[in-house]
Amino acid sequence: EAGVTQFPSHSVIEKGQTVTLRCDPISGHDNLYWYRRVMGKEIKFLLHFVKESKQDESGMPNNRFLAERTGGTYSTLKVQPAELEDSGVYFCASSQVRHEQYFGPGTRLTVT
Amino acid sequence: SQQGEEDPQALSIQEGENATMNCSYKTSINNLQWYRQNSGRGLVHLILIRSNEREKHSGRLRVTLDTSKKSSSLLITASRAADTASYFCATDGNQGGKLIFGQGTELSVKP
Repeated sequence: EAGVTQFPSHSVIEKGQTVTLRCDPISGHDNLYWYRRVMGKEIKFLLHFVKESKQDESGMPNNRFLAERTGGTYSTLKVQPAELEDSGVYFCASSQVRHEQYFGPGTRLTVT
Repeated sequence: SQQGEEDPQALSIQEGENATMNCSYKTSINNLQWYRQNSGRGLVHLILIRSNEREKHSGRLRVTLDTSKKSSSLLITASRAADTASYFCATDGNQGGKLIFGQGTELSVKP
């Protein structure tokens, strides 16, 4: 069974540009989560999808971040326009049952 | 301050020694999980302990949970250089499934 995959593994962009991160959850997992770790700090929750619906987006830092999960399969997280403080590692996780979350390898975003 | 605070923030030991990391949290939980992140890689789930459990073992890992003190510890016995990584505890509380992570402990195991 394939695990959670994320693309790209690393992205370097300039301040003001747009970046779109993609997450493919484990097949059949209704729950999809986005987290990020900024500058070696703690890993923080961004949002939670159940199928295609946003269950909880309380962790989204501001309206420069837009997440979608069309069709309830893969999800994208767009940052537009990117700022320096957005640099970090963005993790995606999926689960079928509520508590067993499986994480992807992360996307390292560097904004210069 | 954040839930899931961990100490120490950094730990350096020799191969073969045991490593103990502690985690404290603030709210009620359903379970507490420990994850490992190797440098530049993703999070690997290590172990989950439920709120009605006090101790759990998995290979060289031993996790304890004290809900009265809202704390947990992760013990890695007979450490290896390959155990070098960041270790995080995460709680779910009753937060609708999202995990609340601590700042993590950076473990360095020297050969």
